[in-house]
Amino acid sequence: AQKVTQAQTEISVVEKEDVTLDCVYETRDTTYYLFWYKQPPSGELVFLIRRNSFDEQNEISGRYSWNFQKSTSSFNFTITASQVVDSAVYFCALSEAQIKAAGNKLTFGGGTRVLVKP
Amino acid sequence: SQTIHQWPATLVQPVGSPLSLECTVEGTSNPNLYWYRQAAGRGLQLLFYSVGIGQISSEVPQNLSASRPQDRQFILSSKKLLLSDSGFYLCAWMQGSYGYTFGSGTRLTVV
Repeated sequence: AQKVTQAQTEISVVEKEDVTLDCVYETRDTTYYLFWYKQPPSGELVFLIRRNSFDEQNEISGRYSWNFQKSTSSFNFTITASQVVDSAVYFCALSEAQIKAAGNKLTFGGGTRVLVKP
Repeated sequence: SQTIHQWPATLVQPVGSPLSLECTVEGTSNPNLYWYRQAAGRGLQLLFYSVGIGQISSEVPQNLSASRPQDRQFILSSKKLLLSDSGFYLCAWMQGSYGYTFGSGTRLTVV
């Protein structure tokens, strides 16, 4: 069974501070995808990144960066120089990479609420 | 282009009333479709998924049911709503190896 754990339920920072969101996962699949989604107050889920389990290279996209460490089953997300618009709930998620006839599932962590104060 | 539509955006229903939420996908065929629920302040829970017409898999026992009458249509229903059915419902489809795309969600309040 798949499991995603986001131990931090809420993080509060002051604007321009860096914030790191932790994500730890469990899976028996040898290949899998890891995702991060942002959920602003409006509710929709905004896709941020997908990472294949074969690719352990860290990634940076603007103020966002991701640290994937397969050895510790972690896929952490850092927002550098946070802004008020970064205030949202962030979800880490896990899915099988191999397409399954019975259906693939996307398993979410419990989410981390980030509050960026001006 | 591929899009996913979900409606209504908000819904207030009395306890014991029926429910029907609809999700449709455009620009693709034979997608895997999903219904998720998010209770207030909680994470996202997978309720149902479907790999084809008439094929429904349920993840958790509950007061809800799902149907897929057409290839790109996924419906979430209930015969009698409970207070505990309140939440934010999201439909999603899996784009093969590209990942998952979510609809804009339906906020359901059962009163």
